[in-house]
Amino acid sequence: AQSVSQHNHHVILSEAASLELGCNYSYGGTVNLFWYVQYPGQHLQLLLKYFSGDPLVKGIKGFEAEFIKSKFSFNLRKPSVQWSDTAEYFCAVIPDSNYQLIWGAGTKLIIKP
Amino acid sequence: DTEVTQTPKHLVMGMTNKKSLKCEQHMGHRAMYWYKQKAKKPPELMFVYSYEKLSINESVPSRFSPECPNSSLLNLHLHALQPEDSALYLCASSPGLAPRGEQFFGPGTRLTVL
Repeated sequence: AQSVSQHNHHVILSEAASLELGCNYSYGGTVNLFWYVQYPGQHLQLLLKYFSGDPLVKGIKGFEAEFIKSKFSFNLRKPSVQWSDTAEYFCAVIPDSNYQLIWGAGTKLIIKP
Repeated sequence: DTEVTQTPKHLVMGMTNKKSLKCEQHMGHRAMYWYKQKAKKPPELMFVYSYEKLSINESVPSRFSPECPNSSLLNLHLHALQPEDSALYLCASSPGLAPRGEQFFGPGTRLTVL
């Protein structure tokens, strides 16, 4: 069955630290990849997405992600986090044969001021 | 307008009540979704509508009844719910049903069943 794994359920960092959140998926075919963010009390927003082309994609708020096909990974990065990045981050994929989002379990990120 | 709106923001209901959740989008999207989200969990897909027709019902109990009156509106009718149905109910829309279709989410309705 297709699945998405997010390695860290909770991450605590200090402001200005660098961030990398892991995401791996299990599906042998072509996938479309997404990172969504849910700030406290707010709706899910798309941070970035990858469909094809340059495997390094840039999103909103200084986030970027790199698609490594050989590792079935789509890790999210930010060079220097801010307190306002405190949120729940979800990785999700849609196989090219489908249209339903397959979600990872989420990573709760807490940034200490 | 790139918003999906949902009303009400909060809803408390008893197990014998009947209530409805409402979702609206004016982006011209033809696919709309209902999700249920429990605390600290990802959203779980409940229903998908495409061109106002129900495409997917993910084995949701019949106490949840979706309705899509037109391409901009999506309702979820609730009847005889259980306390375990308490959750955040999210509506989303996308241009169509496609692998590259970005879904836009509403803020959700926080439902508490007593």
